[in-house]
Amino acid sequence: NAGVTQTPKFQVLKTGQSMTLQCAQDMNHNSMYWYRQDPGMGLRLIYYSASEGTTDKGEVPNGYNVSRLNKREFSLRLESAAPSQTSVYFCASRRDFYQETQYFGPGTRLLVL
Amino acid sequence: ILNVEQSPQSLHVQEGDSTNFTCSFPSSNFYALHWYRWETAKSPEALFVMTLNGDEKKKGRISATLNTKEGYSYLYIKGSQPEDSATYLCALGGDDKIIFGKGTRLHILP
Repeated sequence: NAGVTQTPKFQVLKTGQSMTLQCAQDMNHNSMYWYRQDPGMGLRLIYYSASEGTTDKGEVPNGYNVSRLNKREFSLRLESAAPSQTSVYFCASRRDFYQETQYFGPGTRLLVL
Repeated sequence: ILNVEQSPQSLHVQEGDSTNFTCSFPSSNFYALHWYRWETAKSPEALFVMTLNGDEKKKGRISATLNTKEGYSYLYIKGSQPEDSATYLCALGGDDKIIFGKGTRLHILP
């Protein structure tokens, strides 16, 4: 099993450009999550999908959109990138229920100039 | 929005010493408390999940306790080693999402 995979690993964008971060999991998990990691801020939840066909906002959703394409894939889109979106983005998944552990992808490092 | 607080933010410990740090959370509507270990340039990895008041979990030299009534959890590391250097995250698990604290950054001094 590959677990949680993310593409790309690293990306440089100019302000105003758009891009989609891809995430896939092969563990048959129901829930998937997108976080951003910034120095001193820990992990902040951007959007999540508790099950296929549903998405909800997290703590910091502004400037992002998501798509739960199917049970395996959950993408994060930046429509018009801003320097404030420079960050490391982590995708995670978990099977179900509050006591289940989340499994994280390797992260995507995004630089917006 | 749920608030998960961790203290201290950063900690320097001599190799061989034991240490502990704290996670505080709202005690109402508690579901689960998670601890993760996060090494630099890697992804967070799960250490423990605790759900019941008084739970204690242990993994090698690392252990954790949970008090849901007063809203705190402690993580203990016994006999710190260089490989323990990492950020330790606690997170409050809800029915649909997990909210993370900002972490305690642990540095082990040789």
